[in-house]
Amino acid sequence: ETAVFQTPNYHVTQVGNEVSFNCKQTLGHDTMYWYKQDSKKLLKIMFSYNNKQLIVNETVPRRFSPQSSDKAHLNLRIKSVEPEDSAVYLCASSWDWGNQDTQYFGPGTRLLVL
Amino acid sequence: GDSVTQTEGLVTLTEGLPVMLNCTYQTIYSNPFLFWYVQHLNESPRLLLKSFTDNKRTEHQGFHATLHKSSSSFHLQKSSAQLSDSALYYCALSAGGNYKPTFGKGTSLVVHP
Repeated sequence: ETAVFQTPNYHVTQVGNEVSFNCKQTLGHDTMYWYKQDSKKLLKIMFSYNNKQLIVNETVPRRFSPQSSDKAHLNLRIKSVEPEDSAVYLCASSWDWGNQDTQYFGPGTRLLVL
Repeated sequence: GDSVTQTEGLVTLTEGLPVMLNCTYQTIYSNPFLFWYVQHLNESPRLLLKSFTDNKRTEHQGFHATLHKSSSSFHLQKSSAQLSDSALYYCALSAGGNYKPTFGKGTSLVVHP
């Protein structure tokens, strides 16, 4: 099956803990992204990588750090989570990093910070 | 920077009536790409349709939209709403050298019998 896969589906943690989310795409795409979808359903891009190279790094807190081992994998680590980090984190991929490229989204990881 | 403005919040329709969700955008670039993504409950967003060509109608799955650069608009329309159209709809813009889409706030469409 070709798609974007994310783990875990759901994660509950306490303030101050570290969490890591994984994303893998089997679509053969060159570019991957992390988005945050908050409780109001606002969808904002956080990072994007093209062939393991960081190309977009939005203004996000420094406790967020993406990691890419190859063009099919993009992970997200959050050091010392805070309550406002509670959200759905969506991984996406696209063929390339042009304006015309469609985003293919994974199922998301829902994070709840207590 | 780029921005996208959509019909605010919730749109409620009776099945069979026409759908129109508004989307306007702002960008300094002359050749933007505009997208509509749809997100059904407990699913992730997926592409509904996209366009780059001025004044050309784009259609998919019964929905259509036309990019009008003169008014910076890309409204989503459907002639007859179905119950299965109930979802969250995002309009998105990608332009210039940033290579990252800007999403609107989303419009929730609820279609009832």
